[in-house]
Amino acid sequence: DVKVTQSSRYLVKRTGEKVFLECVQDMDHENMFWYRQDPGLGLRLIYFSYDVKMKEKGDIPEGYSVSREKKERFSLILESASTNQTSMYLCASSRPHQTARPEAFFGQGTRLTVV
Amino acid sequence: ELKVEQNPLFLSMQEGKNYTIYCNYSTTSDRLYWYRQDPGKSLESLFVLLSNGAVKQEGRLMASLDTKARLSTLHITAAVHDLSATYFCAVENNDMRFGAGTRLTVKP
Repeated sequence: DVKVTQSSRYLVKRTGEKVFLECVQDMDHENMFWYRQDPGLGLRLIYFSYDVKMKEKGDIPEGYSVSREKKERFSLILESASTNQTSMYLCASSRPHQTARPEAFFGQGTRLTVV
Repeated sequence: ELKVEQNPLFLSMQEGKNYTIYCNYSTTSDRLYWYRQDPGKSLESLFVLLSNGAVKQEGRLMASLDTKARLSTLHITAAVHDLSATYFCAVENNDMRFGAGTRLTVKP
């Protein structure tokens, strides 16, 4: 029972390319998040969104943008890919804090290599 | 800004032993999560804790939350090899911030 789906498991792109990472959730969650995970640095928040068309910067937004046109989809965009953006990218979604059944789930991750 | 500190970062245990992982956070929070990650895989949700004094248990893992101390613990009882993984705590307000993770290795 897949809950959060990322469009690709592995991706190889060239420096300077525009890259789209897609994330779709089927749980009607309001909150969605994009992280990157690098050895020794843990999970770092890039952007998050708490509603359609709303977005907030996380800790490392530089070089990235996001789009949330529909509730179920949150896209991460690398405007001009660089080698230092080679990483594992993880998408997550969660219910807002007012609900009685809190939950948060992650996608399977996208390992992006920029050459 | 919300900060989450987790320790230890590395933990090597013998099978059958008990140990505790600690998670401190800097500001009041709506909820705290514990996740497990196996090498090369994504994060699997273990527990979510909402209120002061909350305790949840699943098998050999038990998580607790003290909101006054801003501290959560993940206690491992009688460790087995299958528990070897990296464990993360995460704290959610509007955003969700993670601790650095604890890499647990359980040796026979």
